[in-house]
Amino acid sequence: AQKVTQAQTEISVVEKEDVTLDCVYETRDTTYYLFWYKQPPSGELVFLIRRNSFDEQNEISGRYSWNFQKSTSSFNFTITASQVVDSAVYFCALSEEFSQGGSEKLVFGKGTKLTVNP
Amino acid sequence: NAGVTQTPKFRILKIGQSMTLQCTQDMNHNYMYWYRQDPGMGLKLIYYSVGAGITDKGEVPNGYNVSRSTTEDFPLRLELAAPSQTSVYFCASSYPRQNEKLFFGSGTQLSVL
Repeated sequence: AQKVTQAQTEISVVEKEDVTLDCVYETRDTTYYLFWYKQPPSGELVFLIRRNSFDEQNEISGRYSWNFQKSTSSFNFTITASQVVDSAVYFCALSEEFSQGGSEKLVFGKGTKLTVNP
Repeated sequence: NAGVTQTPKFRILKIGQSMTLQCTQDMNHNYMYWYRQDPGMGLKLIYYSVGAGITDKGEVPNGYNVSRSTTEDFPLRLELAAPSQTSVYFCASSYPRQNEKLFFGSGTQLSVL
């Protein structure tokens, strides 16, 4: 069965530090999709990135970057020069192409709470 | 574009009461979902729907019911509320498949006392 592990429950950094949030996944499928979502203190969930299993290129979007490594089943998220506004809970999620029962079930990790202090 | 709209934002129920959480989306998305979020536990899927008239159970469906009579609406019904149903509930939608990104509503914080 698919599984997502975010081993870091909470991380606290000082503004301008770089921080990496870890995500390790388990799946038997060769085709799958990985996601990151952000949940700021206001509570809404915001999509950050979607990556399919055939695209191992790292991605950079401003201060955000993602490192996808199939060899270690990891999809880590790095924030460069962190800011107070980055304080949030970040969720990693995995969706297989064909889950048992025919639905493409999306499974979330338990989340990592990031606090960026001024 | 309103996106995904959930009501109410907050609700307190007494044990044994029933209520319906409303969810509507104006993006013509075929997939809709209900998740619950418990502290430190991530999001767990309650029910989902692949289109009007079609619903299916997720990981934690017990104590809940859903219906999907239109593309836009996907209400979640709690019958005989229990303290274990105290949680934050999120409705979401996606198109055309679940492998696409989810658009979330703002959530409903429910307490059962």
